[in-house]
Amino acid sequence: GNSVTQMEGPVTLSEEAFLTINCTYTATGYPSLFWYVQYPGEGLQLLLKATKADDKGSNKGFEATYRKETTSFHLEKGSVQVSDSAVYFCALSIAIIQGAQKLVFGQGTRLTINP
Amino acid sequence: DADVTQTPRNRITKTGKRIMLECSQTKGHDRMYWYRQDPGLGLRLIYYSFDVKDINKGEISDGYSVSRQAQAKFSLSLESAIPNQTALYFCATSGGRSANEKLFFGSGTQLSVL
Repeated sequence: GNSVTQMEGPVTLSEEAFLTINCTYTATGYPSLFWYVQYPGEGLQLLLKATKADDKGSNKGFEATYRKETTSFHLEKGSVQVSDSAVYFCALSIAIIQGAQKLVFGQGTRLTINP
Repeated sequence: DADVTQTPRNRITKTGKRIMLECSQTKGHDRMYWYRQDPGLGLRLIYYSFDVKDINKGEISDGYSVSRQAQAKFSLSLESAIPNQTALYFCATSGGRSANEKLFFGSGTQLSVL
């Protein structure tokens, strides 16, 4: 089956610290991989994505590399800010018959950045 | 104005009551989705619709029904609410046919069933 496993939270860091949130997946076929972010009181927003092996997605200082050999898509940021406090979801996307996608989400990792 | 609007934002109801959650979008997307979010479980797909004539069950459709009244509107109903349907519900849309298309989410409806 298709599944996503994320590092358990919550994660608390100081401002300017290095961030890693681990994500591994199990999938049939060749999924696209995503990181979504949910700020307090809001819906999820796409943070970055990668569509094939060795692709690196990046946005707002965050990066993640699609590693097929380790079935991983770890999220990293070199220097976090208080405004990065949110819940982060790793997800994989698989194509459904008729061309639409189905997203499978990890359980989410709550990140808190202290000043 | 938000591209994907959900109403209500919060709802408290009693066991056995019928509840409808509404979603409307101004993005012109064909594909619409309903997810529920539970702590520690991520988001799980309830129903999805490719267009007004197409409705599909997701992984947890039992106890729910949907209606696609128009391209822009997709409502989720709980015919007889039960406490384990207490969750945060999200509507989402996507415009493309590939698995690479990003989803656009509403701000969510927090439903509590007492």
